[in-house]
This record gives sequence, C-alpha cells and structure tokens, in this order.
Amino acid sequence: NAGVMQNPRHLVRRRGQEARLRCSPMKGHSHVYWYRQLPEEGLKFMVYLQKENIIDESGMPKERFSAEFPKEGPSILRIQQVVRGDSAAYFCASSEDGGNTIYFGEGSWLTVV
Amino acid sequence: GESVGLHLPTLSVQEGDNSIINCAYSNSASDYFIWYKQESGKGPQFIIDIRSNMDKRQGQRVTVLLNKTVKHLSLQIAATQPGDSAVYFCAENPPYNNNDMRFGAGTRLTVKP
Repeated sequence: NAGVMQNPRHLVRRRGQEARLRCSPMKGHSHVYWYRQLPEEGLKFMVYLQKENIIDESGMPKERFSAEFPKEGPSILRIQQVVRGDSAAYFCASSEDGGNTIYFGEGSWLTVV
Repeated sequence: GESVGLHLPTLSVQEGDNSIINCAYSNSASDYFIWYKQESGKGPQFIIDIRSNMDKRQGQRVTVLLNKTVKHLSLQIAATQPGDSAVYFCAENPPYNNNDMRFGAGTRLTVKP
C-alpha cells in the first residue's frame, strides 16, 4: 500500500541549473497537486494536474516553473535556471477524486547554492 | 492571506496533558476542513477531517471542533505524548474550487516529558 512517492528527497543545484522533481501518486489516484513550503511557513499551492491535463496552475510562478503529469509515468515539477529563492521543500499530494482528502508525499528538498 | 517570514506560533505542553490547537479559517463558504500533522523533515500527514454540516468529530485521541459562526477550527489532543510533537496545519476547502485547499500557517506543538 505505497503512499505518494517523491524523488529525489534531497537535491542540490547550482544557480542557473535545472531541477526536476518527480511524484508518483498513490495507487488509484489520478489527481496530483504540488505545494511549496519555505522553512517555518505553511504550504503554498502551486499546481493541480490530472493525467495529461493541467487543471489549475494559479500558484505557479509565471516563469521558469512548469509541471506535467503524462499518461504514463510520474508527475514532474521542473524548475529551470534555479535561483537561491527556489530553495524550499516541494511536496506532492494526490487524491482519488480531486475534491476531498489529499495525501502527501515525504517531499523533495531543493537547495540552490 | 499568506504567512510571509513569520515564525510559527508555538504551544508547549506537558506529557499527559490535553492540547488544544486553534485555527481561524478565511472563507465562510468552505465546507470541508482537514487537520494535518507534519513532523520535521517529513510530509504532512492526515489526522482528521470534518464537513461543515458537523460541529464535532472524534478520532483516536483527537477531536476536531468547528465553529462556523466565528470561522474557527480547533484540534484537541487527549493525553499528549512526545510523539505528538510536530507542526499542525488546518486546511479549508472552498466549495467553488476543489483544487484550492488553503492551509493555515501552522502551530508547532512541543511536548515536554
């Protein structure tokens, strides 16, 4: 009964490099959410996806950030040309029906040096 | 609104005492609420939920109270244990936008032995 799986758990990137964070939802879940969390702060919604569709990306920065959830494989959050301010924990969550309880992964900690 | 650069509120209790964690939510139309627990270095973990047609719901050692009149949610933990030490977040789900579960800033609970 695997939960939401995220990898890598920790990622270090130099400024200007690209970061790719992967998320496999719980079995049977077709709705994926990405959140960002800065130290000592709450979770900030970024994007909501279903298979092959972006449903709501109102929380995504306009530049450098993108997300996808292909028909096969995990959801990917991509950050291009990372800057120090991108350093944060990125959490993926999934739900079965998109409207109720969402279950979180253990997060991916991005550090930009 | 967002919590920007603020330290988390903290609550310190003695082991064995009861804990009460409070949360004010923002949208009077929200119809679904969840409490999450987040331990250091881990993802948020679902604790208990409640719908707006209820004012109280009990789980194992936890009780959630909902006061819609003042838009207030509380989490009560009975006989608090050291393993309860974590950050606790409440989340609200507006009925018009199932994608946009809003998280509060969180409260850090510390249990003293």
